[in-house]
Amino acid sequence: DAGVIQSPRHEVTEMGQEVTLRCKPISGHDYLFWYRQTMMRGLELLIYFNNNVPIDDSGMPEDRFSAKMPNASFSTLKIQPSEPRDSAVYFCASSLGRHGGGYIFGSGTRLTVV
Amino acid sequence: DAKTTQPNSMESNEEEPVHLPCNHSTISGTDYIHWYRQLPSQGPEYVIHGLTSNVNNRMASLAIAEDRKSSTLILHRATLRDAAVYYCIRQQGGSEKLVFGKGMKLTVNP
Repeated sequence: DAGVIQSPRHEVTEMGQEVTLRCKPISGHDYLFWYRQTMMRGLELLIYFNNNVPIDDSGMPEDRFSAKMPNASFSTLKIQPSEPRDSAVYFCASSLGRHGGGYIFGSGTRLTVV
Repeated sequence: DAKTTQPNSMESNEEEPVHLPCNHSTISGTDYIHWYRQLPSQGPEYVIHGLTSNVNNRMASLAIAEDRKSSTLILHRATLRDAAVYYCIRQQGGSEKLVFGKGMKLTVNP
C-alpha cells in the first residue's frame, strides 16, 4: 500500500478563496482523521470519521470548515472562505481502530493563505 | 482532554539506550497509552501503544508501570534518525480520538 495520500502537497491561495484538501486513506482502514498543525497550537484534531460517517467534529474551528467522506477511499476538507489564520499544515490519518494498531499519517498539505 | 506530562526535551548519545518518561496519573482502566514521533517536516509516525502489559515491537519497547500512572518508551539503541519530537498520548476508553500535546524533543548526539 502506498500509505495515506494527501493532495496537494502545497497550496498557496488568496484570502477569501475556497480551498479543498484531499485525502486517500489506506485501503481497509475504517477510521479517518483530519488534523491541523501550527507552531502556536501544535497538532489539533479537527474531525474524524468511522465507516465514512463523521463521529466527532468538535475540533472544527468554525463554519468555514467542512469535511466529507463520500466513500471509503476518499475524503475532503474544505475551507470557504479562507483566511490568513488558516495557514497551517493539514494532516490526514487513517487507522483500523484501537485494536488494530496505530494511526498512519499522510505527508500533509502545507496551506498558505495570503 | 486526556492529559499526559512529558519533559520538554532530552538528549541522548548515539548507540546508547534512551528512556523517555511519561506521566498519566489520572488514567482510567480502559485508556490506552500511545507513542508517536514526528521527524522534521514529516507527519507523525506511530511508534507503539499498550494498555497494561509491556509491549515490544521492532521500533521500541513500552514499559507501563504497575499502577499505570506512568510509562516509559525505550529506544534500545538510539540513532541519529531517532531525533524527533515524541508524543505520549492517553487514548480515552470508548473513543478513537488521539489528542496530541506538546511532546518532547529528543536530540541524539553523535
